[in-house]
Amino acid sequence: DSGVTQTPKHLITATGQRVTLRCSPRSGDLSVYWYQQSLDQGLQFLIQYYNGEERAKGNILERFSAQQFPDLHSELNLSSLELGDSALYFCASSQAGGSQETQYFGPGTRLLVL
Amino acid sequence: KNQVEQSPQSLIILEGKNCTLQCNYTVSPFSNLRWYKQDTGRGPVSLTIMTFSENTKSNGRYTATLDADTKQSSLHITASQLSDSASYICVVWTDSNYQLIWGAGTKLIIKP
Repeated sequence: DSGVTQTPKHLITATGQRVTLRCSPRSGDLSVYWYQQSLDQGLQFLIQYYNGEERAKGNILERFSAQQFPDLHSELNLSSLELGDSALYFCASSQAGGSQETQYFGPGTRLLVL
Repeated sequence: KNQVEQSPQSLIILEGKNCTLQCNYTVSPFSNLRWYKQDTGRGPVSLTIMTFSENTKSNGRYTATLDADTKQSSLHITASQLSDSASYICVVWTDSNYQLIWGAGTKLIIKP
């Protein structure tokens, strides 16, 4: 158990809908990362937050947005969902977001768009 | 373009045998290289992190090597166990946009 929690575990929705994925980092970690992993694909970095502020942005679509709250939990919002958005979404956390730090991953949220 | 390539795509070996997984990267500027283990449907778990100056790093039966000149890394697994069945992913951190560049992984299957 990494100490990173994600909810929900599974999510089934329809095209055009909007969903929110939630992540709680390990106790003491200030930085949160979001990743997308499509079936049999590598992980794609989406976005990183540090202590409530956006720090780095990857291949995140304009339909997706995220934020980190004062209690350090983070939410990833996916809107106008398309079939291709079906994937595993992982949240990871690290202490300060530094380049040498280990990122600890949560169990993921499996999203299925029908 | 920043890329991490891994070989082989998949590998099947018998329990107790050793194996070596390969990683080539074209990432600049390079900061560090990591190996992660990912069980099917689970989050990745870090095995090793190596900086530019480190050639070898071990974590139990896992030994990673790094040749920063040729931009190659390998992960050697000794005396494989059934629980080693997983995807092994090579990941490189770049300071150009402060993020990890992920390889597609090698899917390792250990047979009894």
